[in-house]
Amino acid sequence: GAVVSQHPSRVICKSGTSVKIECRSLDFQATTMFWYRQFPKKSLMLMATSNEGSKATYEQGVEKDKFLINHASLTLSTLTVTSAHPEDSSFYICSARGPHKRAYEQYFGPGTRLTVT
Amino acid sequence: DAKTTQPNSMESNEEEPVHLPCNHSTISGTDYIHWYRQLPSQGPEYVIHGLTSNVNNRMASLAIAEDRKSSTLILHRATLRDAAVYYCILRDDKIIFGKGTRLHILP
Repeated sequence: GAVVSQHPSRVICKSGTSVKIECRSLDFQATTMFWYRQFPKKSLMLMATSNEGSKATYEQGVEKDKFLINHASLTLSTLTVTSAHPEDSSFYICSARGPHKRAYEQYFGPGTRLTVT
Repeated sequence: DAKTTQPNSMESNEEEPVHLPCNHSTISGTDYIHWYRQLPSQGPEYVIHGLTSNVNNRMASLAIAEDRKSSTLILHRATLRDAAVYYCILRDDKIIFGKGTRLHILP
């Protein structure tokens, strides 16, 4: 299957700072990328959907000013957690999908574990 | 949106077949049935999908009821590496995860 990478795999930051997570589709052009977060022992929660060159669409309850998403190219999307707080500590997972818009063509990255101290 | 219902957890012995059920009584005629799984500390991975007919691939088989109101993911010979949370998903435009079934494999 297609490969999606995330960088970094782990990050520790201090409360009040911002942290950027990158998501790349390595072998296909991702017209749509998705960002999820996951708390321990819980299911993945969709945060936002972004289409290349457009503003992201955020799910209800997700603060768009806190979680900035940029999808500037067909292979790269970034999630910036601004003014991070300990409650933002979580496992962040991105996924990428090609133009055919089928769920079985949505490929997931390995995740980024964010710890805010 | 059509809803799916899966058992919270299941247990199986290594090298035995595993049947993971999913109920989706409100499925529409055009909804594909997808299965993803998430291994510990990893991102989800695609397992299999189908519409009406049973499907087989190298990872698993998918048995779909004739009325499409339920389906079963079949792992023919479970290994310890199959211990994961398995999700049955109907939406195509964006994947919304339910609670899934946590599969424990006993050595």
